[in-house]
Amino acid sequence: DQQVKQNSPSLSVQEGRISILNCDYTNSMFDYFLWYKKYPAEGPTFLISISSIKDKNEDGRFTVFLNKSAKHLSLHIVPSQPGDSAVYFCAAKTGANNLFFGTGTRLTVIP
Amino acid sequence: DAGITQSPRHKVTETGTPVTLRCHQTENHRYMYWYRQDPGHGLRLIHYSYGVKDTDKGEVSDGYSVSRSKTEDFLLTLESATSSQTSVYFCAISLDSEQQYFGPGTRLTVT
Repeated sequence: DQQVKQNSPSLSVQEGRISILNCDYTNSMFDYFLWYKKYPAEGPTFLISISSIKDKNEDGRFTVFLNKSAKHLSLHIVPSQPGDSAVYFCAAKTGANNLFFGTGTRLTVIP
Repeated sequence: DAGITQSPRHKVTETGTPVTLRCHQTENHRYMYWYRQDPGHGLRLIHYSYGVKDTDKGEVSDGYSVSRSKTEDFLLTLESATSSQTSVYFCAISLDSEQQYFGPGTRLTVT
């Protein structure tokens, strides 16, 4: 049973525009959320995280929004750049427990 | 980048043979993890370790065993490989069970 879901397998965006990647979760006990970025033939790399006590966290071009009532989080990338083309994984955890990952969204930024 | 290496990077083996994958870290992180990545499933946790000789099962542990005799090494063993274990395997490390850093991955094919 997938506790973290990324319902869009792929997304294409023009360079310079905003990319919005979505993630839904079912476990209301999750209290920490992360986004990872993965290039082909490499391991995932950490991008940005957010605690459940916040509703927004920003780091440069990347912003993560958390809507606890809807059990939904999103990653905004603005402006999008061709180097952002990768697979993005959403992940969530409860306390010191392990991460649960979504299935990933492949972002393509078109020059 | 965190100092994590995985060996081998690629392996082809036959059904029924034992296989051991190695993860080596130079960061002295307490936690180590083994994941597998499959299309449509994202990353799923196989086993993890919270210290030398301390390991526990993840969500897809059947058919796998692990050992950690030193802080820096975490071994994943497939006692008798099956075709369903064809996958890309990622090792990850973590200092405090929060953010995880991933290795480059091992592509395993069981024929």
